[in-house]
Amino acid sequence: KQEVTQIPAALSVPEGENLVLNCSFTDSAIYNLQWFRQDPGKGLTSLLLIQSSQREQTSGRLNASLDKSSGRSTLYIAASQPGDSATYLCAAEYSWGKFQFGAGTQVVVTP
Amino acid sequence: EAQVTQNPRYLITVTGKKLTVTCSQNMNHEYMSWYRQDPGLGLRQIYYSMNVEVTDKGDVPEGYKVSRKEKRNFPLILESPSPNQTSLYFCASSPEGLVTDTQYFGPGTRLTVL
Repeated sequence: KQEVTQIPAALSVPEGENLVLNCSFTDSAIYNLQWFRQDPGKGLTSLLLIQSSQREQTSGRLNASLDKSSGRSTLYIAASQPGDSATYLCAAEYSWGKFQFGAGTQVVVTP
Repeated sequence: EAQVTQNPRYLITVTGKKLTVTCSQNMNHEYMSWYRQDPGLGLRQIYYSMNVEVTDKGDVPEGYKVSRKEKRNFPLILESPSPNQTSLYFCASSPEGLVTDTQYFGPGTRLTVL
């Protein structure tokens, strides 16, 4: 059974520092790996999707990498801002239409 | 505005009283899915639907039912709710459920079963 782990569960950084968020999965036979952001009391917003054949995806200050052989994905957020404070979740699509989510990393960016 | 809507947003009920949480999307998406979110466990998939009249179990389907009679709606039914179904529920949709499609989430329904 696919398991997805996110460590650490919480992270606090000063504004301007780069953020590095980790996601591990046990079964490398995934279709894609997605990163989401969740703000308190709200739903999830998609940030980046990396297909299994890709190594990374970029959007603005966000960059996500995927290493299937080691079962890891990393989300980098450059020059963090207080508005980046949120919970970040990764999800692996391990069978068509079936997803396994990590528990998330709660990020606080202090001014 | 393109969106996924859920109703109700908050619900307190008692054990055994049947309830339905509605989910509707206005983006003509083929794929829809239900998740529950519990502290420390992340989101767990309950049921999903690749298109009309086709539904499949996720990781935690016990105690839940779904139906997909039309493309835009995907209601979640709890026939006999129990306290362990107290959770935050999210509905999501994506264009065709392809591996290149991201998911769009509703705002969530917070359910408390007493």
